[in-house]
Amino acid sequence: GAVVSQHPSRVICKSGTSVKIECRSLDFQATTMFWYRQFPKQSLMLMATSNEGSKATYEQGVEKDKFLINHASLTLSTLTVTSAHPEDSSFYICSARDLGGAWSTDTQYFGPGTRLTVL
Amino acid sequence: AQSVAQPEDQVNVAEGNPLTVKCTYSVSGNPYLFWYVQYPNRGLQFLLKYITGDNLVKGSYGFEAEFNKSQTSFHLKKPSALVSDSALYFCAVRDPRSNTDKLIFGTGTRLQVFP
Repeated sequence: GAVVSQHPSRVICKSGTSVKIECRSLDFQATTMFWYRQFPKQSLMLMATSNEGSKATYEQGVEKDKFLINHASLTLSTLTVTSAHPEDSSFYICSARDLGGAWSTDTQYFGPGTRLTVL
Repeated sequence: AQSVAQPEDQVNVAEGNPLTVKCTYSVSGNPYLFWYVQYPNRGLQFLLKYITGDNLVKGSYGFEAEFNKSQTSFHLKKPSALVSDSALYFCAVRDPRSNTDKLIFGTGTRLQVFP
């Protein structure tokens, strides 16, 4: 099936630093990728939709200057948490939409997630 | 507005018994419906989806779900539960008429299968 990877799986950083998280579709091309945030024992909150070659679309209440998204190729999107603070600590999950191919159409496949801890 | 409801925070079932995880949705028209499973500290794994066609959809790991338009439901089922099925299950919906690809997720249901 379609595989999405994320790197790193876990990161601990000091307050004020920036952290970059990579999301890759390994065996399919994804013109659209999504970034979610999940708090403990809660559902996924969509942060932004990342479109290859264009600006990301952010959900209401998500600071685009704080959560920078770059989707430079059909298989890679990055999320950079700038000037991270403890309240940014969370589980960040990306997904990529498979528009067709051998597996299925119109399905989002999710990465394994990145646990960010800001001290 | 589009929404998804998973009325049960937790479902407990004995191994070998059938299980049902409930999901209802609110989307006008014909929605796309999905079930995902999440194991601890992991991303979501796709289980199955309904786009069109047969109302009974079969997915991974022996799971199936039935689309019921009149009841606006898409309950997840499995005839015989395994302890390894214990996880967090999310129902999601997408309105194909919308100009976005966004999935709307339910709040999740924790399934606990006891030996």
